[in-house]
Amino acid sequence: EAQVTQNPRYLITVTGKKLTVTCSQNMNHEYMSWYRQDPGLGLRQIYYSMNVEVTDKGDVPEGYKVSRKEKRNFPLILESPSPNQTSLYFCASSFLGLGANVLTFGAGSRLTVL
Amino acid sequence: GQQVMQIPQYQHVQEGEDFTTYCNSSTTLSNIQWYKQRPGGHPVFLIQLVKSGEVKKQKRLTFQFGEAKKNSSLHITATQTTDVGTYFCAVLDYKLSFGAGTTVTVRA
Repeated sequence: EAQVTQNPRYLITVTGKKLTVTCSQNMNHEYMSWYRQDPGLGLRQIYYSMNVEVTDKGDVPEGYKVSRKEKRNFPLILESPSPNQTSLYFCASSFLGLGANVLTFGAGSRLTVL
Repeated sequence: GQQVMQIPQYQHVQEGEDFTTYCNSSTTLSNIQWYKQRPGGHPVFLIQLVKSGEVKKQKRLTFQFGEAKKNSSLHITATQTTDVGTYFCAVLDYKLSFGAGTTVTVRA
């Protein structure tokens, strides 16, 4: 089944404790992206990647890192989480190109930072 | 990123009634996509519009792209409880940017 898999789905952590949210897709998509969703703010892009070893900042990249060493994986790293990073996170992927750039989303990862 | 305004932010609808949600941009768009997110779920792609004035239908949902390609609308007829959720428009400049969404609740 074509899908985007995120782990963990739920996580409670404390301020400053590094964590990684993994994202993997099995559709051979070039494009991958991370979004955070907060009430009333919609989906805001954190980072995106056009291909292996190619990443770029989205609208809210502060406090996050990403890497794209393999085409299928795009982990989101919070080096020193803070309470304002409490949010619902979505990973998504697509092919590139107008008309082909339909995003497939993962199920989401709900993160709470105490 | 691309600034896209969605209105209204919330829509409370009586079951069986129609409603429309809008997505507006100050600049010309190359395309626009619509996604639906059910409560507790993730966004799921509904439709993509590319051509000026394009109209596409999916059962009770009608999507339209403005003639100037600066706005889009989603019209739902005879709303059902299955229509509950948040509807997002998304536009492509060098990346796909989402509007804040319209959250729809339905009164039975």
